[in-house]
Amino acid sequence: GENVEQHPSTLSVQEGDSAVIKCTYSDSASNYFPWYKQELGKGPQLIIDIRSNVGEKKDQRIAVTLNKTAKHFSLHITETQPEDSAVYFCAASIGQAGTALIFGKGTTLSVSS
Amino acid sequence: ETGVTQSPTHLIKTRGQQVTLRCSSQSGHNTVSWYQQALGQGPQFIFQYYREEENGRGNFPPRFSGLQFPNYSSELNVNALELDDSALYLCASSKTGRPQETQYFGPGTRLLVL
Repeated sequence: GENVEQHPSTLSVQEGDSAVIKCTYSDSASNYFPWYKQELGKGPQLIIDIRSNVGEKKDQRIAVTLNKTAKHFSLHITETQPEDSAVYFCAASIGQAGTALIFGKGTTLSVSS
Repeated sequence: ETGVTQSPTHLIKTRGQQVTLRCSSQSGHNTVSWYQQALGQGPQFIFQYYREEENGRGNFPPRFSGLQFPNYSSELNVNALELDDSALYLCASSKTGRPQETQYFGPGTRLLVL
C-alpha cells in the first residue's frame, strides 16, 4: 500500500543552526505535500505545503523542496529558535480523489539555546 | 488556532463499550476528515465526509462509522471498543474537499480504552 517514510526520527540542533527533514513517498499519483508541526497536547498545525506543479516554496525561515521524479520532499528550517522545538510530520495526498493524507511517523526536533 | 473544535477533550471507556466523538468544522468549510493518531505515530486516515456523504475511507473496520450534519459538523462513532483503539482522534476540515486542498486540524480527543 501507500507509504510515506520520514527521516530522521529525532533531530537535535543548536539555536541558529539549520534543520532538514526528509520524506519519501510511494504513490506516484500523490500531488499535494503538506508539513505539520505538532506541539505537546495539541493538534497538528500546517506550517507549509507544496503542490506538484512547484519544485520549491519558501515562507520566511521555512522552505520545502519537491522532487517528483525521485518521489521525495524535504523541509528546511533556517535560523532555528527554541520555539521551533516540536514534532514535525510530512504528509502526501492519497486515495481515489486525492483528498486524504498519509503521514510519516514524525521527527522530534529539539532546539537548544 | 484553526477554528476547528472537538469534544470531549479526554475520554475513558472500557473494552466493548461504544463512543461518540464530535467535531465542528471551521466556518465556511464543508468537508471533514477523521484521523487516528496512536502514541508516537503519525495520524492515520479513517474517513472523510463531504456534504453529508462519505467521500473516502481508510483501512479501518466497519465498527468505525461517522456522520456529517447539515451544518457540516461531524461525529465519529466507534463500537465494540478494543484496547488498541486508545489514541488521539483528530478531525480536520477543508473548504470544499477538492484535491490538494489544505486541511486544518482540531486539537483532538484523547481516548483511553481500559
